Amino acid sequence: DAGVIQSPRHEVTEMGQEVTLRCKPISGHDYLFWYRQTMMRGLELLIYFNNNVPIDDSGMPEDRFSAKMPNASFSTLKIQPSEPRDSAVYFCASSPLSPPSGRVDTQYFGPGTRLTVL
Amino acid sequence: EDQVTQSPEALRLQEGESSSLNCSYTVSGLRGLFWYRQDPGKGPEFLFTLYSAGEEKEKERLKATLTKKESFLHITAPKPEDSATYLCAVQAEATGFQKLVFGTGTRLLVSP
Repeated sequence: DAGVIQSPRHEVTEMGQEVTLRCKPISGHDYLFWYRQTMMRGLELLIYFNNNVPIDDSGMPEDRFSAKMPNASFSTLKIQPSEPRDSAVYFCASSPLSPPSGRVDTQYFGPGTRLTVL
Repeated sequence: EDQVTQSPEALRLQEGESSSLNCSYTVSGLRGLFWYRQDPGKGPEFLFTLYSAGEEKEKERLKATLTKKESFLHITAPKPEDSATYLCAVQAEATGFQKLVFGTGTRLLVSP
């Protein structure tokens, strides 16, 4: 498997512009996660999906952020309008369905998208 | 509120000089504790999952241990290729199924 795929790898945009980040999870995984990583705050969960349905979006910072998962193999994270403080590395991760034991499954991360908002 | 604190923030070792990284956590019902390795410009790479106090796991020069309040990542005779940021994360019963809370990491540099 190719692993989690993210695009673009780098994005530079100007304040006020719309930004769309894309993610293709590992085939067969039921969960998809969007994270943001900054030096100050580390890795923060923004939102996660189970079987294409958003489960918890409490980490989404503002209404400017939105995420969709139209099918099992594709998700987008959109920022509109973008602001300089949105500059960060955005990661997508996926994990399979947890076994009946209740133990959590490993999350597999993509390479990330480095976003710079000028 | 669930919290994860990692120390030290940065660690510099000579090749072969063993040491330990610390991950202290405060959670309401631990479901699992994860260790990840992150290289510059890449996503976190899974290393270990620990589920209960007293559990230990090993992989090459790395050994992870877990108590009720903290986890240690022991690095024995490190090599330069072990240089990376090591992240600790917890999954707690109260924060929802599958949700991970990460620490800010320890940056490890191993010099030849």
